[in-house]
Amino acid sequence: AQSVAQPEDQVNVAEGNPLTVKCTYSVSGNPYLFWYVQYPNRGLQFLLKYITGDNLVKGSYGFEAEFNKSQTSFHLKKPSALVSDSALYFCAVKGSSNTGKLIFGQGTTLQVKP
Amino acid sequence: DAGVTQSPTHLIKTRGQQVTLRCSPKSGHDTVSWYQQALGQGPQFIFQYYEEEERQRGNFPDRFSGHQFPNYSSELNVNALLLGDSALYLCASSFGLAGIYEQYFGPGTRLTVT
Repeated sequence: AQSVAQPEDQVNVAEGNPLTVKCTYSVSGNPYLFWYVQYPNRGLQFLLKYITGDNLVKGSYGFEAEFNKSQTSFHLKKPSALVSDSALYFCAVKGSSNTGKLIFGQGTTLQVKP
Repeated sequence: DAGVTQSPTHLIKTRGQQVTLRCSPKSGHDTVSWYQQALGQGPQFIFQYYEEEERQRGNFPDRFSGHQFPNYSSELNVNALLLGDSALYLCASSFGLAGIYEQYFGPGTRLTVT
């Protein structure tokens, strides 16, 4: 069965410091991986995706993520955190043979303190 | 360019009633997916519509049904509402069925069942 794990309910980081939000996945076949961000009382906003190619993918707002096939991970990173990055982050996966079903993790709350 | 829109924003219903939620996809998108997001959880896939047909379905009972119209807009219907149906319902649109394309989410409809 396909699944996504986000092992940390909350990540705290000081403004200006690098941040990492962890994600591991389980899927048969080649995975399609996505990161979304959700602000309070809002829908999800797409940040970035990995389909194939370079393991380091760059996305919106300075975020990037590294695909590691051997560790089945897709961690979200940013070199310098902003207070405005504080939000709920979701990792999602779908198997390459799957048409549209996104499997989401439980989410990680990122708190960036001034 | 309008993004994904959903209506209504909020809805309060009584157990046993029926509800219809509406979604208009992002311009240029022809595929609509629906998700249920319970409080503190990641979104759960309900179903996906393409070319006016349900193409894939998640683990939801038949009380959940949908429809897609020729203009690609979509409705989600839930019959015989239960307290457990209280959640944020998210609509997402994308282009085609190929899994490589990201889904864009609307702001959601907050359904409260009393």
